[in-house]
Amino acid sequence: QVQLVQSGAEVKKPGASVKVSCKASGYPFTSYGFSWVRQAPGQGLEWMGWISPYNGNTDYAQNLQGRVTMTTDTSTSTVYMELRSLTSDDTAVYYCIREAQVGPSIFFLFWGQGTLVTVSS
Amino acid sequence: DIQMTQSPSSLSSSVGDRVTITCRASQTINNYLNWYQQKPGKAPKLLIYAASSLHGGVPSRFSGSGSGTDFTLTISSLQPEDFATYYCQQSFNSPRTFGQGTKVEIK
Repeated sequence: QVQLVQSGAEVKKPGASVKVSCKASGYPFTSYGFSWVRQAPGQGLEWMGWISPYNGNTDYAQNLQGRVTMTTDTSTSTVYMELRSLTSDDTAVYYCIREAQVGPSIFFLFWGQGTLVTVSS
Repeated sequence: DIQMTQSPSSLSSSVGDRVTITCRASQTINNYLNWYQQKPGKAPKLLIYAASSLHGGVPSRFSGSGSGTDFTLTISSLQPEDFATYYCQQSFNSPRTFGQGTKVEIK
């Protein structure tokens, strides 16, 4: 069965960077894209970007361009999300998601357990 | 960017009630609309994809409809385990925006 296991909670100071990992198992790693979505405390869901494990192509949310980098390691079936120049507004739970597709319809089927990133001085 | 607007933002209903949540897109998205359920402290779960296709294992009391810009999620008979926050999300183009959520609470 498909499993996504994310790295543990992080506490960072303003201006620092964080790198969250997401290890996938239970299916051919390069067959499906990944999105990252974050959720600030008490707030809604914000899509951050997408990466293809097949060819490394990425698509980032415009408001995060220049601060976010998504990468994959096919040898370990792991996806990474790095966010730089952190501020308190980046305090959130970060979710790794493996997409699924039926015909032209793409949806977020498998979610990691979430990683809480707290930015505080 | 396509803006997704849900209404209401919250509602209070009783077990057994019929509940309808609406989601409006700022431009046409055909049927590229998904619905998710999120309970406190948990990751969201897929309920419906492509506007009206029920994901496997989701109870049949959940249904989705709509196309173009206007969509609805209906719970035909609200059960205790359905009290949660519901989000719509468009997959027509990037960025894959979400609605702001609808919190369904116990009356």
